[in-house]
Amino acid sequence: EAGVVQSPRYKIIEKKQPVAFWCNPISGHNTLYWYRQNLGQGPELLIRYENEEAVDDSQLPKDRFSAERLKGVDSTLKIQPAELGDSAVYLCASGSRGTEAFFGQGTRLTVV
Amino acid sequence: QKEVEQNSGPLSVPEGAIASLNCTYSDRGSQSFFWYRQYSGKSPELIMFIYSNGDKEDGRFTAQLNKASQYVSLLIRDSQPSDSATYLCAVQLLNQAGTALIFGKGTTLSVSS
Repeated sequence: EAGVVQSPRYKIIEKKQPVAFWCNPISGHNTLYWYRQNLGQGPELLIRYENEEAVDDSQLPKDRFSAERLKGVDSTLKIQPAELGDSAVYLCASGSRGTEAFFGQGTRLTVV
Repeated sequence: QKEVEQNSGPLSVPEGAIASLNCTYSDRGSQSFFWYRQYSGKSPELIMFIYSNGDKEDGRFTAQLNKASQYVSLLIRDSQPSDSATYLCAVQLLNQAGTALIFGKGTTLSVSS
């Protein structure tokens, strides 16, 4: 069974440019998470979906970040415009309601 | 107060010793508890979960949960150099938006041969 797939693995952009990350969760998993992880820190939740509904986006910086999960499967996280402080690893995870989450490989974003 | 607290370490143990990793959480309504291992440059991988008070053993790993003390721990017996990684405690909290999986900062474990 395929795991959570994310792309791209690495992205380097100049500040003020837009960037998008894509995630394909494990088949059948209704819950999808986007986390941001800074060096030496634990993953911080940005947004959680149950199917296609964003049920928890309280930590998503909505002035520049947006996310969507069309048809309750794949998801895209976008940053526009990117700032230097957005440099981090962006992790997507999926799971069934109330159970453990499985992570993708992550996207390492560097904003220069 | 942060919702999930871990000592960042590093925790250093010799090969063959027992490594003890600790985690406290603030929300008494928390229902599920997870331990993830993260190697440098890799994504977190699940190694244990525990829902009920007491101990749960899986090979060299034992998770311990004490809901009254809001404390969860991970013991690694016969530690190996390959166990050197960051261990993340995660707690499933019940908040206004339903359940949320919240992580601590992680504890870095170093096992010396």
